[in-house]
Amino acid sequence: EAQVTQNPRYLITVTGKKLTVTCSQNMNHEYMSWYRQDPGLGLRQIYYSMNVEVTDKGDVPEGYKVSRKEKRNFPLILESPSPNQTSLYFCASMRSPPGYEQYFGPGTRLTVT
Amino acid sequence: DQQVKQNSPSLSVQEGRISILNCDYTNSMFDYFLWYKKYPAEGPTFLISISSIKDKNEDGRFTVFLNKSAKHLSLHIVPSQPGDSAVYFCAASEINGQNFVFGPGTRLSVLP
Repeated sequence: EAQVTQNPRYLITVTGKKLTVTCSQNMNHEYMSWYRQDPGLGLRQIYYSMNVEVTDKGDVPEGYKVSRKEKRNFPLILESPSPNQTSLYFCASMRSPPGYEQYFGPGTRLTVT
Repeated sequence: DQQVKQNSPSLSVQEGRISILNCDYTNSMFDYFLWYKKYPAEGPTFLISISSIKDKNEDGRFTVFLNKSAKHLSLHIVPSQPGDSAVYFCAASEINGQNFVFGPGTRLSVLP
C-alpha cells in the first residue's frame, strides 16, 4: 500500500529537549515536505526537499532542521523545542514538481511544555 | 499577510444540494492550484487541481473554477453528500511547483 508514515503520532516533551519526528514514504517520490497546522492558519510549509541531499526552507523554518540522506526518509529535527512549536505536523511526498499532488502522512501532534 | 485566503471558516449545506467553497489569493505568480480534503485525525488528501492556463477542471462531483483576473477560485460539489463533511484546504504554488501555500481551511458540514 502506497503510504507516508510518521512517528511518533503523539509526543509530549519539555522545552529544550531535542526531538526527532521521522517520516518515510514507499512511493519512490523525489519530493518531500514538512508542514505544521495551527488553528486559523492552515498548513504552513517548514522545509522541503527536491531529492537526496537537496533541502530548502519553506515559510516557517525557524527552530527546525531537516536532512535527506535517503530518498524514502525525511526526518524533522527540533534541536531545542519551545512552547510555540506546539502544533500538528504533517509530512508529505510527491513526484518531481511541478504539477502533482502531495500525499500526506497521518500527522504528529506535538506538545511542548 | 496570508497569500491564500478562505474567508468562510465554515459552511453548512443540505444533502443533495450544491456546496461552493471559495478561495482568494494575492500572489500573481501562483501557477497551480489544488484542493485538499481533511478528515479529523487524518492527513489531508488530494481532491482536485487546476493549472493557471485553464479556467475549469471537473472530476465527478467536484469542479474547480479559476478566475485569474479576480485571483479567485472556487470548488463546487454537486450533489453534496454527508461523507463530504470535512475541512477543505485551498493551496497554491508558483510555476516551479516546489513551495506550497495553503489557506486556513473551510469546514463543510453536509446535513442529512
